[in-house]
Amino acid sequence: QQQVRQSPQSLTVWEGETAILNCSYENSAFDYFPWYQQFPGEGPALLISILSVSNKKEDGRFTIFFNKREKKLSLHIADSQPGDSATYFCAASQGGNTGANTGKLTFGHGTILRVHP
Amino acid sequence: EAGVTQSPRYAVLQEGQAVSFWCDPISGHDTLYWYQQPRDQGPQLLVYFRDEAVIDNSQLPSDRFSAVRPKGTNSTLKIQSAKQGDTATYLCASSFQGANTGQLYFGEGSKLTVL
Repeated sequence: QQQVRQSPQSLTVWEGETAILNCSYENSAFDYFPWYQQFPGEGPALLISILSVSNKKEDGRFTIFFNKREKKLSLHIADSQPGDSATYFCAASQGGNTGANTGKLTFGHGTILRVHP
Repeated sequence: EAGVTQSPRYAVLQEGQAVSFWCDPISGHDTLYWYQQPRDQGPQLLVYFRDEAVIDNSQLPSDRFSAVRPKGTNSTLKIQSAKQGDTATYLCASSFQGANTGQLYFGEGSKLTVL
């Protein structure tokens, strides 16, 4: 049972465009949603995260839009750069809003992003 | 500050052989996680510890996999009698529960190939 789903599986954009990566989840108890970035041969690294009490989170060129009612979120990467080419994982966990986040993350399968110069 | 360190980076085994992976978390991090990442998939939690105690090992195939963190610092994940289906990258991550950020810091992983 895939509790966190991501689409598309892969995405190619031109440098300067906005890349949009989608994520949906099933478990209503999830309240913390981080996005991790992974380069080949490396471990995932936290890029940006959001709690379910918010509907938007921005950090530079990266923005998360969150829709609790539909159990969907998306990561927008503005002004995409070739260095953004990587695999992006949407993840989810419980306890973020209550101060009891276990860090026990459920990951999606990932979206492979390629940015062409 | 040193990151999460894992060794070995690569291992190639025949079916039935055993292997151990070692992890040194970030200093001061009380929580340590082992994730399995099959090729072209997201990481899947196997087990996690708070200090030396196992908090959740429900996804650890207990008949062949074992994990310990005896002093609440370094950890070892062992696979006995490996199968081809165990081929994956094994990621160790650590965090500090008191920070309550939920952020995990991952190592580079140990890539296992079972022939």
